[in-house]
Amino acid sequence: NAGVTQTPKFRILKIGQSMTLQCAQDMNHNYMYWYRQDPGMGLKLIYYSVGAGITDKGEVPNGYNVSRSTTEDFPLRLELAAPSQTSVYFCASRPSGGGNIQYFGAGTRLSVL
Amino acid sequence: AQRVTQPEKLLSVFKGAPVELKCNYSYSGSPELFWYVQYSRQRLQLLLRHISRESIKGFTADLNKGETSFHLKKPFAQEEDSAMYYCALSGSGGSNYKLTFGKGTLLTVNP
Repeated sequence: NAGVTQTPKFRILKIGQSMTLQCAQDMNHNYMYWYRQDPGMGLKLIYYSVGAGITDKGEVPNGYNVSRSTTEDFPLRLELAAPSQTSVYFCASRPSGGGNIQYFGAGTRLSVL
Repeated sequence: AQRVTQPEKLLSVFKGAPVELKCNYSYSGSPELFWYVQYSRQRLQLLLRHISRESIKGFTADLNKGETSFHLKKPFAQEEDSAMYYCALSGSGGSNYKLTFGKGTLLTVNP
């Protein structure tokens, strides 16, 4: 059972480049989330989705875009990478019921130089 | 607005000593509180939630609504407990699908 899978694990970008962080889950969860984790700052919510075709901004959405065309996939797009986006990115998912227990991917470590 | 405060960035104890990781929250309704743990090179995972009132790996946490706290405790720390611990809050009603995390406490258990 794969759970939440994130690719790539590591990436180095140059300023101004774009990339897509992939996230897939095989648990048929409706809710999916993107967080960034900065040292000493905890996890900040970037975007979330309550189901296919529905997305909404979190706490720190600037510089990012998302789409949710299927239940399984929730990619995060960085259009013009900036050094401030250097971080570890986590994707998470949860089912509709049973409380807000979220299941996390292993993370993508991104450096923008 | 909901907020979670973990006052200690770092906590270091010796093996066998009691450990308490502090968590305070701010929320006007009835929150759901969680502790998540991240071991070295592993993904974030749920340790326990206040609703289940369980003891997981010897850890317990009691929700104190009067003090708005949800401290994590273990009577005898083990070296394998060394990890980053995050307290998290989920609101009720329309905001119950989002988690607000504290900044985390890095626990080191020394031999």
